[in-house]
Amino acid sequence: RKEVEQDPGPFNVPEGATVAFNCTYSNSASQSFFWYRQDCRKEPKLLMSVYSSGNEDGRFTAQLNRASQYISLLIRDSKLSDSATYLCVVNRATDSWGKLQFGAGTQVVVTP
Amino acid sequence: GAVVSQHPSRVICKSGTSVKIECRSLDFQATTMFWYRQFPKKSLMLMATSNEGSKATYEQGVEKDKFLINHASLTLSTLTVTSAHPEDSSFYICSARDPGQGPEAFFGQGTRLTVV
Repeated sequence: RKEVEQDPGPFNVPEGATVAFNCTYSNSASQSFFWYRQDCRKEPKLLMSVYSSGNEDGRFTAQLNRASQYISLLIRDSKLSDSATYLCVVNRATDSWGKLQFGAGTQVVVTP
Repeated sequence: GAVVSQHPSRVICKSGTSVKIECRSLDFQATTMFWYRQFPKKSLMLMATSNEGSKATYEQGVEKDKFLINHASLTLSTLTVTSAHPEDSSFYICSARDPGQGPEAFFGQGTRLTVV
């Protein structure tokens, strides 16, 4: 079983709509969680960290469910520029800071 | 945010040659850097942890003699792909964490290696 699993998508989303997707992780010792965004043939860029109480950054909302070992990302009022692959990223407590485990990514395609 | 610079961004080389990729932290000191590679439509896979002043730590299945890592200073780590073969063609990315900025990692721009 992969340590971090995501639905690869693609999620085809009309502009202005809301899209949400989850990521599950298998290692209960995971301590830090992130969503990164990766555009085609580019490096990943941090979208947001995910906090235990859930957090929001503009149109993006992230949630963490430790009991069920998943995190989620919700994008409201989708823009064309939100089209990208969203990577679920986990830092295990047993690893040094910065040593990350990646999901394969969820592709989001926002259409006009 | 922290800046990590990777060079070159793209390289084409012949089979059997070696290629060196540089990763620099531009505005912070990084005692630890990480090297990943990514195949098309696949997740980033950690190859090794680069430790300043000591040997790199390789993930299971990664050949240390094939992928030489040198972390000679607090701002520079290099990955050398030795005796490259077409199956080494991939996207290689380095990352580092700025201790003064929290747990998130910052990535270099990546190097797209094509071995012909």
